Amino acid sequence: EDQVTQSPEALRLQEGESSSLNCSYTVSGLRGLFWYRQDPGKGPEFLFTLYSAGEEKEKERLKATLTKKESFLHITAPKPEDSATYLCALGELTGGGNKLTFGTGTQLKVEL
Amino acid sequence: NAGVTQTPKFQVLKTGQSMTLQCAQDMNHEYMSWYRQDPGMGLRLIHYSVGAGITDQGEVPNGYNVSRSTTEDFPLRLLSAAPSQTSVYFCASSPPRGGGGYTFGSGTRLTVV
Repeated sequence: EDQVTQSPEALRLQEGESSSLNCSYTVSGLRGLFWYRQDPGKGPEFLFTLYSAGEEKEKERLKATLTKKESFLHITAPKPEDSATYLCALGELTGGGNKLTFGTGTQLKVEL
Repeated sequence: NAGVTQTPKFQVLKTGQSMTLQCAQDMNHEYMSWYRQDPGMGLRLIHYSVGAGITDQGEVPNGYNVSRSTTEDFPLRLLSAAPSQTSVYFCASSPPRGGGGYTFGSGTRLTVV
């Protein structure tokens, strides 16, 4: 059974203070690893999909990396608007799409 | 460009009542799914559909029913509401193979008293 564990549960950063969020997983077969951002009162917003160990993807101040056992979301020089809950999920390919198994998220707060 | 639209945004039910949560997408996505989000437990899959006329159960399907008569709509029915179904419900859709990620609706916050 797929399992996804995110750490830390909460993280408080000063503006400009870079850090990384961790997503470790156990999986029985080939899967996609997804990162989402969720703002309070809203649905998750897609950020990245990673499929292969060594793969990296970037978007503005965010960079996601993948190994065989974990994924990191690196946040470089964060701004207050980066404050949100970041979710990772494993995607099991089913027919034409994915069934996602989510972690419980990391709540990020970036302060001035 | 509406994306995924969920209605209602908020709902309060009494134990034993039934209701339908509506979900519609305008992106012609084949794959649609329902998740519930509870504090400390993450998002959990309730039911999903890979196309019109095809549905299947997810991780927590008990007490919920779905149907998919069109590509655009995927309603979730609560048959007899229980306090344990108090949660935030999200509908999501995905293009084929899901590589581009899901698009989620803004959620329905349901309270069962």
